[in-house]
Parts: sequence; C-alpha cells; structure tokens
Amino acid sequence: DAKTTQPNSMESNEEEPVHLPCNHSTISGTDYIHWYRQLPSQGPEYVIHGLTSNVNNRMASLAIAEDRKSSTLILHRATLRDAAVYYCIGGGSNYKLTFGKGTLLTVNP
Amino acid sequence: DGGITQSPKYLFRKEGQNVTLSCEQNLNHDAMYWYRQDPGQGLRLIYYSQIVNDFQKGDIAEGYSVSREKKESFPLTVTSAQKNPTAFYLCASSTGTSPTGELFFGEGSRLTVL
Repeated sequence: DAKTTQPNSMESNEEEPVHLPCNHSTISGTDYIHWYRQLPSQGPEYVIHGLTSNVNNRMASLAIAEDRKSSTLILHRATLRDAAVYYCIGGGSNYKLTFGKGTLLTVNP
Repeated sequence: DGGITQSPKYLFRKEGQNVTLSCEQNLNHDAMYWYRQDPGQGLRLIYYSQIVNDFQKGDIAEGYSVSREKKESFPLTVTSAQKNPTAFYLCASSTGTSPTGELFFGEGSRLTVL
C-alpha cells in the first residue's frame, strides 16, 4: 500500500467548495486511491475511489493528477455535516488499506 | 436496514480479563475486518477474514483472537496478553477484498481497561 501525505487540518465556510489535497508519490500503477471520512465517535464511511480518471459521485469529486502522485477530493458545497476527518488511502486490496491520521475538516457556519 | 452492528458500544474491563466484542452484518458480505483506533490516530488492522472458517492476521494481531464460524459474524476477543487494550474498535465488511470494494463500518466499540 502507498504512503500518503495529507494536511493535518483545513477550514472552510459553509456553502463554499473545499479542496482536500493528498500526496501519494509512491503509489503503484495498480493501486486505487480511496477516500473515506469519519465523523466523531463513528466508523468511517466511504466517499469515493478512483484509479486514473477523475471520478464524480453524489458526495464528492476526485481529481487525480496525470502522474498519479497526488489527488484532490472536492466537496462542491460544504455543509456543517461535512465536518469530519478525511482519509486518503492508496491500496491494492481492501486488507491493505492504511488509514493514516487524515485531514480534520472544520466547516464554519 | 442492512448494515453492521457492533456491541457493546462501551465496555469496561479490569486488567487481566478477556473481553469479546461482537460484530454482526446482514449485508451478505464475504469479507470482514477488525480495526483498532487510538485517540488522534488512524486505524490499524487487527485481523481480517475473506471467507467463513478462514482469517488472517493484520498489522497488530498480538493479544487478539477472532473466529469466523458464520458468514454474518466476526467476534473479536481482546485477551489479557494485549498490553494496552484501551481503544476504539471498529468492525467493517466488504463484498470481497478487491480494491474496488467499498468498506462498510460499524459504529464502533469503545473499550476501557480500568
């Protein structure tokens, strides 16, 4: 599994877009990039994943750099319910997903 | 509703006692996992099971044991051999162990050793 680097914390205002960066320079060609988020005292929940192309779903968008050494999770309009720890993970199998410390996102009203 | 149920939500135990955390899923998933989370830290994999009657050690299996006798159940026993068992324990499941399968997590069990 790839080592990932994320900022410890980020802040956003409600209704504004949020761009959460992640560096994964050691990722292998077959490792997917996954994003999960965890609300306080709850289990993580899946957000999105991708391999090479940018991906969109109802929760977020994932922009993957052409060289795959970095990616950005985009929340198009942050709400207070988006305040959580966001984990960026590079992994080849589900049992190899390494959840680091993640980025603590604070959303201001 | 389909999902993962962990119990108990909070558990206190005295040093030297074994304790078993329950994890049940009704998602018909083949794979199940146990993670440990310490305050301000990420998740570390304790054990995982890809199929009934089979399981593998994760990164921090020492002091823990599991069983997988039924597809829907994957209990974790924290033994007295675990030196620092106070933590938040999370169970998860997925359709398989492929990288495209989403992990579904329970709400966690918080164990405190007194």
